[in-house]
Amino acid sequence: DIVMTQSPLYLPVSPGEPASISCRSSQSLLHRNGYNYLDWYLQKPGQSPQPLIFLGSNRASGVPDRFSGSGSGTDFTLNITRVEAEDVGLYYCMQAVQTPPTFGGGTKVEIK
Amino acid sequence: EVQLVESGGGLVQPGGSLRLSCEASEFTFSRFWMSWVRQAPGKGLEWVASINQDGSEKSFVDSVKGRFTISRDNARNSLYLQMNSLRAEDTAVYYCARIFLCFGEFGYFDHWGQGSLVTVSS
Repeated sequence: DIVMTQSPLYLPVSPGEPASISCRSSQSLLHRNGYNYLDWYLQKPGQSPQPLIFLGSNRASGVPDRFSGSGSGTDFTLNITRVEAEDVGLYYCMQAVQTPPTFGGGTKVEIK
Repeated sequence: EVQLVESGGGLVQPGGSLRLSCEASEFTFSRFWMSWVRQAPGKGLEWVASINQDGSEKSFVDSVKGRFTISRDNARNSLYLQMNSLRAEDTAVYYCARIFLCFGEFGYFDHWGQGSLVTVSS
């Protein structure tokens, strides 16, 4: 199974400041079709997870443009240009290139 | 708006069985792959199982193979997870999730239910 490793585990951020989360995979997530099958999810406190980014860099429906995803192969990054109070929660990356799909351990984002 | 509503969770003894249901609405259920994803208390997310549109393809995480079965009834817009020989480590919130295909491949979970708590304890 592909192992997903996120860092940092905990990320305190001041409102309006940028934030960045790293995700590394134990195998390449680059499909033969040229796309990286890497997704990002946010689980707000007390809620179900919601999709943020799919195929490495595509924002899911309704996701604000302050969220962006980048990377290729085994190294990926989720960036938030200006963190807002509503962005607090647990962020997970997930690989979808191989079954079983596997998640990173999560990064907890809190407001300072 | 797409809705996924899970039911059937509860307290069960080790070795027991439970059947989760997920009722889908506001989309054409029969056109989508579906999955179950779980989250143990205070832990991260773990994919459990997936099923294709007509139920002919199924896959499971190794830890539940031979114990869990995934199925669907497209006429009832419903997804099911039959869980047998339950263990303490199966204790989790179980989410029903819709799969969005990207270029014909598993893409991402684009909609999630609110979850159903399963507690395995004596």
